[in-house]
This record gives sequence, structure tokens and C-alpha cells, in this order.
Amino acid sequence: DQQVKQNSPSLSVQEGRISILNCDYTNSMFDYFLWYKKYPAEGPTFLISISSIKDKNEDGRFTVFLNKSAKHLSLHIVPSQPGDSAVYFCAARKSSSGSARQLTFGSGTQLTVLP
Amino acid sequence: NAGVMQNPRHLVRRRGQEARLRCSPVKGHSHVYWYRQLPEEGLKFMVYLQKENIIDESGMPKERFSAEFPKEGPSILRIQQVVRGDSAAYFCASSPRGWETQYFGPGTRLLVL
Repeated sequence: DQQVKQNSPSLSVQEGRISILNCDYTNSMFDYFLWYKKYPAEGPTFLISISSIKDKNEDGRFTVFLNKSAKHLSLHIVPSQPGDSAVYFCAARKSSSGSARQLTFGSGTQLTVLP
Repeated sequence: NAGVMQNPRHLVRRRGQEARLRCSPVKGHSHVYWYRQLPEEGLKFMVYLQKENIIDESGMPKERFSAEFPKEGPSILRIQQVVRGDSAAYFCASSPRGWETQYFGPGTRLLVL
């Protein structure tokens, strides 16, 4: 029962172009979403987050869009750089107390930015 | 300004041995989380602790696994009588307060022979 899905295991993009990574979720209790980037043999690095009260959050080259009705979010990277090549994980969190703190992760998308 | 520290980075154990994984959170963070990543999969939540308390262990296997976060010292994830299926990367994360962003350590890669 995968509550957070990243249906594209990999994505290749030319340097300078836009990278769009997608994530779908099934649990309507999720109200906070995060994107992490992960290099091999390292831990995930926090990139950007969005609360369900917003539909867009921007930080430099990174923008996250949230479509609550479709239970879909996406991460846009513009312009893409070779150093962005990594695995990107989408994660979600519920608003209820107690277990609210745990993150539910997708399976990740390997982004390759070609020079 | 040190981030989350985990040690060892790599751990090899034979079946039936014990594995102890340590996690030192970011200074000032009192909330610790453990996640496990199996090959080709995303991270799966295991346990959430505050100092001296287990808050949520809903992701922990019922047997052989335990976690603690003592008043002094690092958080410890302990796996007794390891089996080959325990081979995975174990990540620790910390946050200053429970609802804030979790920051991850580099992970411990456990290999059970």
C-alpha cells in the first residue's frame, strides 16, 4: 500500500532546461510535503517543502507545486545543472498528533542532467 | 555547525550477531527519527523518539529491534540476532521540534553475511 508514489524511476534532462519531477499521494490526511535530494552513499538533503494551505512554494531554482484536488505535487528545477543529478524523494506528513512526525516517502526518481 | 552524525558508516555482521547503530542529532535538536532504506526502495519510517521517550514505534519490527535516546549521549538503534533481510541503509534524522523539517544523517550501511 504505497501512499506516496513517484511513478518515474528516472528522468534525463539537458543542462539549462527545466526538470519536472512528479509525485502522487493517496492519503488525504497528508498536509505537508517535502522534497529531498540524495547522492549515493549520503543521507537525504532537504530541498523544499509546501503546506497544504498553499499551492506553490519557490526557493531559488526550485519550485514545488501542489494540486490538492488531484493529490499531486511536482518539483520544478530551472535551470537544471549537472550537479542536480541525484535521486529525488518526495515525502509527506499527516496533520494528526502522535504519528504526525513520521514522513512517508516515495520510491524516488533518479534525475540525470546531461551537459 | 555539525549536522546529524551517524556511526559507523558501514557495519558488517554475521547472522545471529547484534548490530548497534548510533546517531547524534544536530546540536539543540531533541527529536530523533530512524528510517530504513532497502535496495531500490524509498525510506521507511521505523521509530520516533524524544529524549528518554519513545513517541512512535509503529514502523519497528516487533522482534529483535529496539531504540533508545538517553538523556545523555546518542540515540541507539539495536538489532539483535541479525538476519540477511536486515541488510539495508539505516538513516537517522533530527528536528528541533516535532513538526519541523527533519534533517538526515549520512546513514549506516548494514550488511549481514
